[in-house]
Amino acid sequence: DIEMTQSPSTLSASVGDRVTITCRASQSIGSWLAWYQQKPGKAPKLLIYKGSSLQSGVPSRFSGSGSGTEHTLTITSLLPDDFATYYCQQYYTYPWTFGQGTKVEIK
Amino acid sequence: QVQLVQSGAEMSEPGASVQVSCKASGYAFTTYDIHWVRQAPGQRLEWIGGINGGTGDTKYSQKFQDTVTITRDTSASTVYMELSSPTFEDSAVYFCARLFGFGSFDVWGQGTVVTVSS
Repeated sequence: DIEMTQSPSTLSASVGDRVTITCRASQSIGSWLAWYQQKPGKAPKLLIYKGSSLQSGVPSRFSGSGSGTEHTLTITSLLPDDFATYYCQQYYTYPWTFGQGTKVEIK
Repeated sequence: QVQLVQSGAEMSEPGASVQVSCKASGYAFTTYDIHWVRQAPGQRLEWIGGINGGTGDTKYSQKFQDTVTITRDTSASTVYMELSSPTFEDSAVYFCARLFGFGSFDVWGQGTVVTVSS
C-alpha cells in the first residue's frame, strides 16, 4: 500500500498567515492527489483534486502543487473558518490511502 | 441540491452483521460511483470500497474484501454497506461519498457511527 505522510501533524497559526502543509507519498503518485478539509463532527470537504485543481466553490486562497512523491497545500491568508484538520489522499493505485491529517489551530 | 443522507447510528455485538445505507438525491444515481470511507477515533480516514451506480460493479480494499459487502438499489437511489462479523476494531464513523473524477470524493454523507460492543 502507498503510505501518505503529512507534515506537520499540528500547525499553530494566526489569522492572515500563509500556511503550507506537505504530503509525502511512499512512491510516486504523479498528480493523483486530493486535499480535504474536515471540521469536528463533520464529513470531509474536497478542496483540491488532481494535485492542483481547485474544486468548484472553494476559495482561491487554497492551492495545491507538486507531483511525484511530494505535494503541498497552501492557504495564502488564513481566515477563522480555515481552522480545521486537512487530509491528503492518493488515488494513483488501490487501495486509495489518506495521510494522517494536519490540524491547523489558532496560535 | 446534491446530497447523500445516511442511516442512523448502529450498535452491534461482535459477530453480528451491521448494515448502513446511503440515499442519494439531486443527481442521476446511475451515473456516479458511491464509495465508503471510515474513520476510527483519532485515526486517519480509511477507504473501504465502492460501487458503480449503473452497473453495480464493486471494488474493495483488500483489507475489507472478505468482511464488507456493498450493494445498491437503483429504484431507491440507495447504496448499502454491510459489515459481516464486525470486531471491536470496526467501531468507527462510516461515510459514504460520491466519486469525482478518478478517485476524489466531492459529495459526502453526514457519517454513521457504528459501535461494536459486547
